[in-house]
Amino acid sequence: GAVVSQHPSRVICKSGTSVKIECRSLDFQATTMFWYRQFPKQSLMLMATSNEGSKATYEQGVEKDKFLINHASLTLSTLTVTSAHPEDSSFYICSAKDRVWNTEAFFGQGTRLTVV
Amino acid sequence: AQKVTQAQTEISVVEKEDVTLDCVYETRDTTYYLFWYKQPPSGELVFLIRRNSFDEQNEISGRYSWNFQKSTSSFNFTITASQVVDSAVYFCALSEVIMNTGFQKLVFGTGTRLLVSP
Repeated sequence: GAVVSQHPSRVICKSGTSVKIECRSLDFQATTMFWYRQFPKQSLMLMATSNEGSKATYEQGVEKDKFLINHASLTLSTLTVTSAHPEDSSFYICSAKDRVWNTEAFFGQGTRLTVV
Repeated sequence: AQKVTQAQTEISVVEKEDVTLDCVYETRDTTYYLFWYKQPPSGELVFLIRRNSFDEQNEISGRYSWNFQKSTSSFNFTITASQVVDSAVYFCALSEVIMNTGFQKLVFGTGTRLLVSP
């Protein structure tokens, strides 16, 4: 299957700082990328959908000014957690969907964010 | 709205036992896709299968098999002769069309944690 690379896999940051997470499609062009958040022992909750070259669509309850998403190219989307607080600590995982398989999502390895 | 229910929170089996993970879904779409993913302790989501709503044939892949029944809105997953390496959280997911875009996103169930002991 297609490969999606997410970086970093783990990050620890101080409260009040910002953290950027990258999601790259390595062998295909991703027209759409999705960002999910997963709390311990819970399911994945979609945060936002980003389409290349346009603004992201955020799910209800997700603060767009806090979770900045940029999808500047067909192979890269970034999620920036701004002014992070301990309650933002979570597992963030992205997925990417290519032009051909419009209904299939390939996932990155995930990023475990800890805000201290 | 779309919904995926995985009623089994956690299942424990002994190696070599067969185990079935249940998945029941709700959707108003006539065309949709169902997925199963495996999430090992390392966290990544491993794609296992995608099934089109028009294809009700059961599928077998090695020790894995899937039973799709539209009449009961179920898409169950069976592991035959389970192994310790099968220990993971398994998620069932349903595609949902995002309004006004034509794009589809995934709606996940709450997951079933499978523990296979030696």
